[in-house]
Amino acid sequence: AQSVTQLDSHVSVSEGTPVLLRCNYSSSYSPSLFWYVQHPNKGLQLLLKYTSAATLVKGINGFEAEFKKSETSFHLTKPSAHMSDAAEYFCVVSRRDVNNDMRFGAGTRLTVKP
Amino acid sequence: EAGVAQSPRYKIIEKRQSVAFWCNPISGHATLYWYQQILGQGPKLLIQFQNNGVVDDSQLPKDRFSAERLKGVDSTLKIQPAKLEDSAVYLCASSLDRTDSYEQYFGPGTRLTVT
Repeated sequence: AQSVTQLDSHVSVSEGTPVLLRCNYSSSYSPSLFWYVQHPNKGLQLLLKYTSAATLVKGINGFEAEFKKSETSFHLTKPSAHMSDAAEYFCVVSRRDVNNDMRFGAGTRLTVKP
Repeated sequence: EAGVAQSPRYKIIEKRQSVAFWCNPISGHATLYWYQQILGQGPKLLIQFQNNGVVDDSQLPKDRFSAERLKGVDSTLKIQPAKLEDSAVYLCASSLDRTDSYEQYFGPGTRLTVT
């Protein structure tokens, strides 16, 4: 079985400051991990994914995440927030190379203040 | 490349009524998923198709929910009869194949309100 816990339901940052969205995972198998973003009235979009290669994963729009097996974490970061980053972010775990049974976290709403 | 299409975008019904949602996946995508996203929660997988066969429907409430994917392309999800707790956004996604090596592409969703 696998699951993820997003540690913050809401994060607020000022434009130009760093972003940190925290995610811990639990998996009985070798996991694949993803971050998705959901803008209002738009579909979910994949930001980045980890599937067993480099532990530091770079995604779109300047986001990156680091897989830390010892801490069972997969935190999402961005050096400098932009107003357009305001959205809901979901951390997702699935069992690698098997049916694409993705388990979503509850989400973190990111607010960016001018 | 056209994305995943869903209709309707919004639906309001009374409890005990029936409702159906339609999904047209990206052309050539063998795997199709239906998710339920309740307000304040992450999406939850309801059913997964590989071509026109069901791969996983373990989280589908089969007493009231049904889904089909005839001819391995379009899919419909039906709720009969609806309950208040079915109010949610229903998301359809598709991918080239069934392992997580293949990205899932999501449609805009159908927002269902049951009154």
